[in-house]
Amino acid sequence: SSELTQDPAVSVALGQTVRITCQGDSLRFYSANWYQQKPGQAPVFVIYDKNNRPSGIPDRFSGSSSGNTASLTITGAQAEDEADYYCNSRDSSGNQVVFGGGTKLSVL
Amino acid sequence: EVQLVESGGGLVQPGGSLRLYCAASGFTLSNYGMNWVRQAPGKGLEWISYISSSSSTIYYADSVKGRFTISRDNAKNSLYLQMNSLRAEDTAVYYCARDFCSYIGCYDYWGQGTLVTVSS
Repeated sequence: SSELTQDPAVSVALGQTVRITCQGDSLRFYSANWYQQKPGQAPVFVIYDKNNRPSGIPDRFSGSSSGNTASLTITGAQAEDEADYYCNSRDSSGNQVVFGGGTKLSVL
Repeated sequence: EVQLVESGGGLVQPGGSLRLYCAASGFTLSNYGMNWVRQAPGKGLEWISYISSSSSTIYYADSVKGRFTISRDNAKNSLYLQMNSLRAEDTAVYYCARDFCSYIGCYDYWGQGTLVTVSS
């Protein structure tokens, strides 16, 4: 199955903008989705189908995609955005789902 | 309010079996595909299985194919995961998650998870 690669850790100053990326060949064909997970909690759905926000997700969260790379951007990061972020998509067969390894976001 | 509540986790010896349950409420289960996703301690998320709303389509990750079986009972608002031939590497928190998009991999609601520990 395909792999999705994320940077293990990223940091951002409070109020600044941060981009978290996800790379993989399957992203050329399939959309990425993004999840936020805080310690001890279940994941929360923050972006779907490349750049759509589910109801209730602040508009500082946005998504984009180009070629084999999908990105999650947080514009004006808040302290409560400190969490692990995971991308996922379908693999090259389209019949399996693959997650990236996750990016730990620190808000300084 | 949509709720997914997993149960059935616990300690099991290598080679043993366990059946996980996911109780759904606050929505009509028969309208949604459902999934199991796991997370080993301190590790990332791993998708392991999908079942369509009518059970007509089922997918598994290679890591569990032939050992795990996903099923559902829409009348009982329940999703199941039968896990056989368990290995130490199956130790994880197991989440059930509801499909949101028309394609697999897009989950809008997750349960809080149930911990499975495979150890002698």
